[in-house]
Amino acid sequence: GAGVSQTPSNKVTEKGKYVELRCDPISGHTALYWYRQSLGQGPEFLIYFQGTGAADDSGLPNDRFFAVRPEGSVSTLKIQRTERGDSAVYLCASSLSSGIEQFFGPGTRLTVL
Amino acid sequence: SQKIEQNSEALNIQEGKTATLTCNYTNYSPAYLQWYRQDPGRGPVFLLLIRENEKEKRKERLKVTFDTTLKQSLFHITASQPADSATYLCAPGGHGSSNTGKLIFGQGTTLQVKP
Repeated sequence: GAGVSQTPSNKVTEKGKYVELRCDPISGHTALYWYRQSLGQGPEFLIYFQGTGAADDSGLPNDRFFAVRPEGSVSTLKIQRTERGDSAVYLCASSLSSGIEQFFGPGTRLTVL
Repeated sequence: SQKIEQNSEALNIQEGKTATLTCNYTNYSPAYLQWYRQDPGRGPVFLLLIRENEKEKRKERLKVTFDTTLKQSLFHITASQPADSATYLCAPGGHGSSNTGKLIFGQGTTLQVKP
């Protein structure tokens, strides 16, 4: 079956703009995670959804970052007023439930000029 | 705050030898620990999960140990092959009864297996 997909694969934007990153998890996976990864570092947790609700958003760096999962499937990560420091690879992962292996997408590389 | 440390320097070994990667954690009592492999330009791929009540787990040429006293996990690849060359990420998870499945990743160790 299809794995986790993320679109776009690359996004270049200008400082101050708004961006949306999309994640399509594996069908039937109730848990969905967003991470971001900078060069040479491991993924950094941002937010976790169980179904439609954000069960843990402790990793969101500030209120410019917001994520939704309105129907418990596709999720969108939204970043307002982008800053150069937001440049990173944004990874989405899903799992059947929490506490077990996570399946990662290929990531979206965000570059803020 | 929670801290996960992996060998920051790349590990270079000869084909056929055993690679051993280390993961140490502090200020943390994870319920389990996962290991992932990441190739350049790709997302991490799950390899193994070991729980706090397990000392060792094996899968084909892979072996993971978990010492909750030392707060350390060791990841071994036996009979290494050039195809094993990648970055390996350690990720403890689970926070008691509020298990959200959130993973805290180490920075990863890059393994290079030379033929």
